[in-house]
Amino acid sequence: KNQVEQSPQSLIILEGKNCTLQCNYTVSPFSNLRWYKQDTGRGPVSLTIMTFSENTKSNGRYTATLDADTKQSSLHITASQLSDSASYICVVSAKPGGGSQGNLIFGKGTKLSVKP
Amino acid sequence: NAGVTQTPKFQVLKTGQSMTLQCAQDMNHNSMYWYRQDPGMGLRLIYYSASEGTTDKGEVPNGYNVSRLNKREFSLRLESAAPSQTSVYFCASSERTLRAFFGQGTRLTVV
Repeated sequence: KNQVEQSPQSLIILEGKNCTLQCNYTVSPFSNLRWYKQDTGRGPVSLTIMTFSENTKSNGRYTATLDADTKQSSLHITASQLSDSASYICVVSAKPGGGSQGNLIFGKGTKLSVKP
Repeated sequence: NAGVTQTPKFQVLKTGQSMTLQCAQDMNHNSMYWYRQDPGMGLRLIYYSASEGTTDKGEVPNGYNVSRLNKREFSLRLESAAPSQTSVYFCASSERTLRAFFGQGTRLTVV
């Protein structure tokens, strides 16, 4: 069964500190992996998208890594800010043609709280 | 650039009532989606439309219908609302399977 597991479920860090969020997936076939940020009461917003051949991608203070062999990804946040408080969702896309085009598998998210 | 616009933002329904959630995107995307998000669960796909004139069921389609009115608009209808449909609903659009853009969500409560 296609699944995306994220850890930890929640995390509290102090402003200015770094943190790393984990994502393990069992989706096959694999097309790409995305990380989204979802502020409370808002829709998810895309941070990064990585295909099979990419193993790292950055977006400002956010750096995502992908190990397609072990089917693991991580999102590293550097020098955290209060505005980073949000849920971070890992989403894996199955290859189109191998299934429906709507084949996005969502993780449950990691809720990050950045405290002053 | 509005992106994906959903209406309404909040709604309370009585069991058995019907309603339509509206979604419009201005990015000329072919694909549009409806998801629901429940506490402790990831977003789950209700229905999607790969292109104008086509719709397909997702993971949790029961109790819902959709209409892809044109390329811009994709509506979700609850014919007879049930408490189990209390959720936050998100509409999204994308080009093929690249980055999806989400609306702000509709918080629906069925009492």
